[in-house]
Amino acid sequence: NAGVTQTPKFQVLKTGQSMTLQCAQDMNHNSMYWYRQDPGMGLRLIYYSASEGTTDKGEVPNGYNVSRLNKREFSLRLESAAPSQTSVYFCASKRDTAYEQYFGPGTRLTVT
Amino acid sequence: AQTVTQSQPEMSVQEAETVTLSCTYDTSENNYYLFWYKQPPSRQMILVIRQEAYKQQNATENRFSVNFQKAAKSFSLKISDSQLGDTAMYFCAFGLRTGGSQGNLIFGKGTKLSVKP
Repeated sequence: NAGVTQTPKFQVLKTGQSMTLQCAQDMNHNSMYWYRQDPGMGLRLIYYSASEGTTDKGEVPNGYNVSRLNKREFSLRLESAAPSQTSVYFCASKRDTAYEQYFGPGTRLTVT
Repeated sequence: AQTVTQSQPEMSVQEAETVTLSCTYDTSENNYYLFWYKQPPSRQMILVIRQEAYKQQNATENRFSVNFQKAAKSFSLKISDSQLGDTAMYFCAFGLRTGGSQGNLIFGKGTKLSVKP
């Protein structure tokens, strides 16, 4: 039981490049989330998915797209990376009958 | 809109002593829950403790306990018998139990705790 996994762990991009951050969970959770963490800012919600086939914007969605591929996987795409997207990205999941979220190990992304 | 405030950016404590981290929140809702998460240098987010707003009894998990004051909208974390492994960033988080954004968490900016030998 791996919990929530994220790939890659580290990534360096040049401005304008695109990439997809992958997230998968094996806990059969319906809800999944993408956050970004910046120094002094805590975690801010980018997008979330309450169930397979649905996605909704969070607090800071600009510059990102998401895909809920199936119940297990929720990916985050940067179409044209900008230096302002340099951050640590966390994926999380939650089961319907509880309120705590379980987090992946994070991806440190640097955009130069 | 809900907000979460952690007013102590950094704190330190001697090993084996007790420390309290502060968190206040603002909401007009009545049905919610609160969490403390720990983020050690490994970067992994680890759930420390949770509190349901409708429960008057303060939650306790081993050396970790909370002081939940609903009227004051305060949710502090007490760590007893501090250990070197408690060194981490601690985040307070708020979530609604009902409504369109139920399940989404709002995080404070964190408190960096250092436990000194």
